[in-house]
Amino acid sequence: QQPVQSPQAVILREGEDAVINCSSSKALYSVHWYRQKHGEAPVFLMILLKGGEQKGHEKISASFNEKKQQSSLYLTASQLSYSGTYFCGTGGNQAGTALIFGKGTTLSVSS
Amino acid sequence: NAGVTQTPKFQVLKTGQSMTLQCAQDMNHNSMYWYRQDPGMGLRLIYYSASEGTTDKGEVPNGYNVSRLNKREFSLRLESAAPSQTSVYFCASSELRQLPSYFGSGTRLTVV
Repeated sequence: QQPVQSPQAVILREGEDAVINCSSSKALYSVHWYRQKHGEAPVFLMILLKGGEQKGHEKISASFNEKKQQSSLYLTASQLSYSGTYFCGTGGNQAGTALIFGKGTTLSVSS
Repeated sequence: NAGVTQTPKFQVLKTGQSMTLQCAQDMNHNSMYWYRQDPGMGLRLIYYSASEGTTDKGEVPNGYNVSRLNKREFSLRLESAAPSQTSVYFCASSELRQLPSYFGSGTRLTVV
C-alpha cells in the first residue's frame, strides 16, 4: 500500500523552509527519501531506519517516528536547486520486500 | 561508472506489439526493481528481484513479465502492449533493501 505524502505541492521563495510528510498505514522499518528533477531519474537523499533517528544532507534533514508510522523531510533555507519532486519510499521488515513509493510532493523554489 | 543502464531510452509501439525493456547494473547489487511512473501516480512497483534467481510481483504486475537473466541483468517484457502501458519505466538496483536504490535514466514508452 502506497504511503501518503503531504502536501502534494509546495511553492517557496529562496531562503524559506518547508516540511514534507510521509505516513503509512503499515508498520515501517525504513523510510527512503528521493528527489527527482524534471525529465531525470530519482536520486537518493537519505535513509532512516527504525529507531527514530534524524539524518541530514546539506540543509535537508529528516526524522522517522515508527510509532506514528511517519517520516518528515525538512528543507531549510531552500535554494533554487531544491526544486523537484520528492518521494518517500517505505520498506517492510522482510528482507525480500521492495520499496513502495508515495505519489510525491512537488517543490518549486523561485528567486 | 555506468551504474544502471536502461535500453532503449524511447520507444513507440502499436497496440498488441511486444517488446522487452533491458536493464543492466555494474555495481554487483543483489536486488533489482522495475517501476513505472505516470503523472500524479508516483513510482509504482511492477516487479522486483530480491536476489538472482528470484522474482516477485509488485503493485502493478498485470500485463508484464520479468526475467532475472543473471546478477547484472533484469528485463521487463510486455507481451501485448496496451495504451494503458504508456508510461516512463525505471529500473533500479540496490545492494540491500536498507541501502540506497540507484535508478537508471528511464525508458519513455508510448503505445498507440
